[in-house]
Amino acid sequence: QVQLQESGPGLVKPSQTLSLSCTVSGDSITSGGYYWSWIRQYPGKGLEWIGYIYYTGSTYYNPSLKSRIAMSVDTSRNQFSLKMSSVTVADTAVYYCARKSPAAYTVNIDYWGQGILVTVSS
Amino acid sequence: QSVLTQPPSVSAAPGQKVTISCSGGDSNIGNNYVSWYQQLPGTAPKLLIYDNNKRPSGIPDRFSGSRSGTSATLGITELQTGDEADYYCATWDNSPRLIVFGGGTKLTVL
Repeated sequence: QVQLQESGPGLVKPSQTLSLSCTVSGDSITSGGYYWSWIRQYPGKGLEWIGYIYYTGSTYYNPSLKSRIAMSVDTSRNQFSLKMSSVTVADTAVYYCARKSPAAYTVNIDYWGQGILVTVSS
Repeated sequence: QSVLTQPPSVSAAPGQKVTISCSGGDSNIGNNYVSWYQQLPGTAPKLLIYDNNKRPSGIPDRFSGSRSGTSATLGITELQTGDEADYYCATWDNSPRLIVFGGGTKLTVL
């Protein structure tokens, strides 16, 4: 059974950089051709796709966030990470890491982490 | 504002059937596959339907999905109190290319 677990600070100050990691267990991050994703959910419940990374390091980001985000992967630790710069209070959300199927045309996101609440506040 | 439009809430009695709609356009639902997710209170979303009408292993056939033109529909039969949750549709949008979610529908089983 694949499991994902987010980790990182729950409180970030405005203008600083949000840094989160996701540890994958139950399968290798390099197998199966999956896309390792970040999705956030605002307090009002709306979901927003942030982007995903392939185990080779290839990325695809939400165009509206592209200038502020960077994803990376560490295959030796079976982890992938998200950095979001210049955060504001509008970035306060629950951040999920998740696994998307290999098929490019589908939004088949079959495994999700439990989510981590990140609050942006001074 | 979400690109995909869902009703904020729906309700029905136990044992009854309910449908949840998801309306989009040619750049998203009209030309891409739709997935549906169930989010129980305090938990992460869970995949219910993918590729318009396919169920992952372990999802009962009480849940069904369909797509017609630029709209998609999730159907749930034999409603149970445990089905009370938020339901989200999702698909690719081609302009610009990104994954988009509906605003979510809260299902109440009265």
